Amino acid sequence: GAVVSQHPSWVICKSGTSVKIECRSLDFQATTMFWYRQFPKQSLMLMATSNEGSKATYEQGVEKDKFLINHASLTLSTLTVTSAHPEDSSFYICSGWDRGIYEQYFGPGTRLTVT
Amino acid sequence: SQQGEEDPQALSIQEGENATMNCSYKTSINNLQWYRQNSGRGLVHLILIRSNEREKHSGRLRVTLDTSKKSSSLLITASRAADTASYFCATDGGGYNKLIFGAGTRLAVHP
Repeated sequence: GAVVSQHPSWVICKSGTSVKIECRSLDFQATTMFWYRQFPKQSLMLMATSNEGSKATYEQGVEKDKFLINHASLTLSTLTVTSAHPEDSSFYICSGWDRGIYEQYFGPGTRLTVT
Repeated sequence: SQQGEEDPQALSIQEGENATMNCSYKTSINNLQWYRQNSGRGLVHLILIRSNEREKHSGRLRVTLDTSKKSSSLLITASRAADTASYFCATDGGGYNKLIFGAGTRLAVHP
């Protein structure tokens, strides 16, 4: 299957700072990318859907001004957690949608810890 | 919001036994997928079953789908310690690319 990478794989930041997470599709063009958040021992919760070149669509309850998503190219989407707080500590997973074969491929995740 | 529930939430078995996990969902679907997640890691796609299919096999995995009951089951036969992981079902919620995940089942297989 196709490969999606995330960078960094883990990050620790101080409360009040911003953190950017990159999601790249390495061998396919992802017209749509998805961002999920997963708290310990819980399921993945969809945060937002981003289409290349347009604004992201956020799920209910997700603050768009806090979680900034940019999908500037067919292979890169970024999630910026602004003014991070300890409650934002979580596992963030992205996925890329390969429209050509109707498959969604997941990245390995980024563990964010806010101290 | 999450699509549905998984049952059981946690399952502990011995190596060699079979493990069955169930998933229920709420809306109509085009397909349902099962994923595995080892602790702290990303998702591994296991199997996809389309809404017009009732059963599908892949190696030691058997998936069933009952659209009238809006439910699916994942059976892992002859389990191994390496099968220890969390298992999630995910549906497309009627759309082709937006996945909604179930709560997951944490499977522990003891040697």
